[in-house]
Amino acid sequence: EVQLVESGGGLVQPGGSLRLACEASGFIFSSYWMHWVRQTPGKGLVWVSRIDLDGGSTSYADSVKGRFTISRDNTKNTLYLQMNSLRAEDTAVYYCARDRGNYDRYFNFWGQGTLVTVSS
Amino acid sequence: DIVMTQSPDSLAMSLGERATIKCKSSQSVLYSSNNKNYLAWYQQKPGQPPKLLIYWASIRESGVPDRFSGSGSGTDFTLTISSLQAEDVALYYCQQYYSLWTFGQGTKVEIK
Repeated sequence: EVQLVESGGGLVQPGGSLRLACEASGFIFSSYWMHWVRQTPGKGLVWVSRIDLDGGSTSYADSVKGRFTISRDNTKNTLYLQMNSLRAEDTAVYYCARDRGNYDRYFNFWGQGTLVTVSS
Repeated sequence: DIVMTQSPDSLAMSLGERATIKCKSSQSVLYSSNNKNYLAWYQQKPGQPPKLLIYWASIRESGVPDRFSGSGSGTDFTLTISSLQAEDVALYYCQQYYSLWTFGQGTKVEIK
């Protein structure tokens, strides 16, 4: 059974940093692109970042470019999101998601999410 | 960036009625070389992550009831629930994966 379990969320002050992790199981982690998606009550779902199979290629939403870094450790079956210079508008539930693979880039598995709150 | 716009923002239908949600993309998500529309639909219930319903605009994910169907091409798409059930109360999102990934703002489906 595919499982994605996020951790690392919490309360952080504006300008602070946080690292999220997503531990994967039930599939060959190194065979799939992985993504981070966030959700706020007012703005719905927003794709944040993606990483390819070995971490050699990444993409980011404009809103986080230069502040967030996605990475993965295929030996630990874990996806990461390093978030720096956090702003109030980064407050959201952060989900990791897996796409189907090959060229099927829609998300067929999601974690339960971890809440990040940026506030003083 | 491709902007996805859903309508309506919310709808309330009686049990057994047909529910229709529209999704419009700011540019075509049809890839001419394979004739596929890079469009997916998700369902999200309170306290849960989104769940994939439909991909390639019209292909139902395994295990999804056949009352859910997707249609459309290019820039205009529709999710139809043919006979609304109580368990279909949820938020529904369209998503394009043609160029990066963007979601619609969501449509809340309720029972009247």
